[in-house]
Amino acid sequence: EPEVTQTPSHQVTQMGQEVILRCVPISNHLYFYWYRQILGQKVEFLVSFYNNEISEKSEIFDDQFSVERPDGSNFTLKIRSTKLEDSAMYFCASTYSPGGDSPLHFGNGTRLTVT
Amino acid sequence: SQKIEQNSEALNIQEGKTATLTCNYTNYSPAYLQWYRQDPGRGPVFLLLIRENEKEKRKERLKVTFDTTLKQSLFHITASQPADSATYLCALIKGSQGNLIFGKGTKLSVKP
Repeated sequence: EPEVTQTPSHQVTQMGQEVILRCVPISNHLYFYWYRQILGQKVEFLVSFYNNEISEKSEIFDDQFSVERPDGSNFTLKIRSTKLEDSAMYFCASTYSPGGDSPLHFGNGTRLTVT
Repeated sequence: SQKIEQNSEALNIQEGKTATLTCNYTNYSPAYLQWYRQDPGRGPVFLLLIRENEKEKRKERLKVTFDTTLKQSLFHITASQPADSATYLCALIKGSQGNLIFGKGTKLSVKP
């Protein structure tokens, strides 16, 4: 069965550095998402992306964050000037159709540790 | 603001029993509700969805109910097994772009 893949599985960075988290969504999917989960807390929506542009973003997704689909297969999340509180699991997800009757397919995440 | 609450943070049951998990929501009238499973260090995995006009949905040992009057969904696992031990997440769609709002989840432990 097709999968969403994310790399790296674990990223350690120093405060103030930039990181890029990478995702390869399922190939025929059209809608892409980033979520994050701080340890012990709920999975939180960051941003949705469709047709090469952001379709919706949460309050968490401020100017520090950006997303890009640089080619036909990759979907990236860039975090500029990382802060300690950015430490979390970041999950990429994709779906073919965004209606509520279509589930999201999640990758297994990148654990970001900011020191 | 919209809220989703899963009343129990943890549920411990004996193998073979039925596990029942609760999801309540407020300030919301969803057309669909979804349930996901999350294992430690892994992404959520879709299990079942139920539409507002469906009272109940089944898949193998799983059953979901949806009461739009009570604003509640119940998730049942019958004949539970230790392999069912995981965190179960309830989720609703917010907006038109498929963005999910998740509950905090209930951690189920099934003891042999």
